[in-house]
Amino acid sequence: QQQVKQSPQSLIVQKGGIPIINCAYENTAFDYFPWYQQFPGKGPALLIAIRPDVSEKKEGRFTISFNKSAKQFSLHIMDSQPGDSATYFCAANQAGTALIFGKGTTLSVSS
Amino acid sequence: KAGVTQTPRYLIKTRGQQVTLSCSPISGHRSVSWYQQTPGQGLQFLFEYFSETQRNKGNFPGRFSGRQFSNSRSEMNVSTLELGDSALYLCASSLAGTTEQFFGPGTRLTVL
Repeated sequence: QQQVKQSPQSLIVQKGGIPIINCAYENTAFDYFPWYQQFPGKGPALLIAIRPDVSEKKEGRFTISFNKSAKQFSLHIMDSQPGDSATYFCAANQAGTALIFGKGTTLSVSS
Repeated sequence: KAGVTQTPRYLIKTRGQQVTLSCSPISGHRSVSWYQQTPGQGLQFLFEYFSETQRNKGNFPGRFSGRQFSNSRSEMNVSTLELGDSALYLCASSLAGTTEQFFGPGTRLTVL
């Protein structure tokens, strides 16, 4: 019940495409859902996060869609660029507890 | 504002040795969490410290320990190193009462 399942494991898109990464969770007590971006040799960087009281949040080219009834959330990257090539992690937790991370998605954007 | 810093960035140890890793959080952040990242298991939570007290602990053996100092800096120690301890160890800090965590660059530990 503590797992966060992330898919796909890897993704290749062309420049300008819209990669979509999906995550599913079981614990209905989770109330914070962030996405992190990690480049090789760097630590994960917080990209965008959502709480279950909204169904969508946009920050620049990044959008989170949240479906509370399905216990799923996803990351969309609009107009993807080669510089977006990185590993993306979803995570979830409830206040006062540790973040539970998905296994990660390696995104490659070809020019 | 400076980000989370971790030292050293790289370490090579042999089995049976012990190692201490250091983390300096963002100024004003009093919560520090530690994670182990491996290709097979991904990011796994080790423990969290707040105001010098361990607040949460992950499912790791007792060889993994940590502490936090009054200036919020934190250290983690791994004793009796095993080959499987080779990983990137990440530290993340957050403001009290918030859930946003900011990660450092990590310490790459290789156990030979």
